[in-house]
Amino acid sequence: EPEVTQTPSHQVTQMGQEVILRCVPISNHLYFYWYRQILGQKVEFLVSFYNNEISEKSEIFDDQFSVERPDGSNFTLKIRSTKLEDSAMYFCASSPRGTGADTQYFGPGTRLTVL
Amino acid sequence: SQQGEEDPQALSIQEGENATMNCSYKTSINNLQWYRQNSGRGLVHLILIRSNEREKHSGRLRVTLDTSKKSSSLLITASRAADTASYFCATASLSGYSTLTFGKGTMLLVSP
Repeated sequence: EPEVTQTPSHQVTQMGQEVILRCVPISNHLYFYWYRQILGQKVEFLVSFYNNEISEKSEIFDDQFSVERPDGSNFTLKIRSTKLEDSAMYFCASSPRGTGADTQYFGPGTRLTVL
Repeated sequence: SQQGEEDPQALSIQEGENATMNCSYKTSINNLQWYRQNSGRGLVHLILIRSNEREKHSGRLRVTLDTSKKSSSLLITASRAADTASYFCATASLSGYSTLTFGKGTMLLVSP
């Protein structure tokens, strides 16, 4: 069964450094998402992406965040200058159509630790 | 406003018993989805119920939706130790066609 994959599984970085989290969505899906989960807290929506542009973004998704689909398979989340509070599990998800119609399928997550 | 608040926060049962988890939400929804998360792992989709549906089954799972009360329940029948995980409801609102809003989850412990 097709699944969303994410790399790396764990990323450790120093405060102020840039990180790129990578995702490969399910191949025939058109909508892509990033969520994060700070330890012990809710899963929070960051951004959705469709047709090579951002569809929606939350207040969390400020100027230090960006997303890109550099080729036909990868979907990346870049954090330009990491802060301690960016430490969280980051989940990528994809769906065939928008969430109003479809299930979102989540990847296993990347645990980001900012020191 | 907070969406998708589950209760109880934690539930401990014996294998073979049924587990019921509830979810309440505040805004109008397009659909409601239940996910499972094993400790430190990713989210696994369990079931999606649309706003015009009242009940849905999948294997040992039964989900109900009451849009008048803005609530949903997830029933796991004949639970197994392997069902031990956190369970989250997530709502897709009418206005945000791509956003899922998650609750804090119910932590289920099934003892052998």
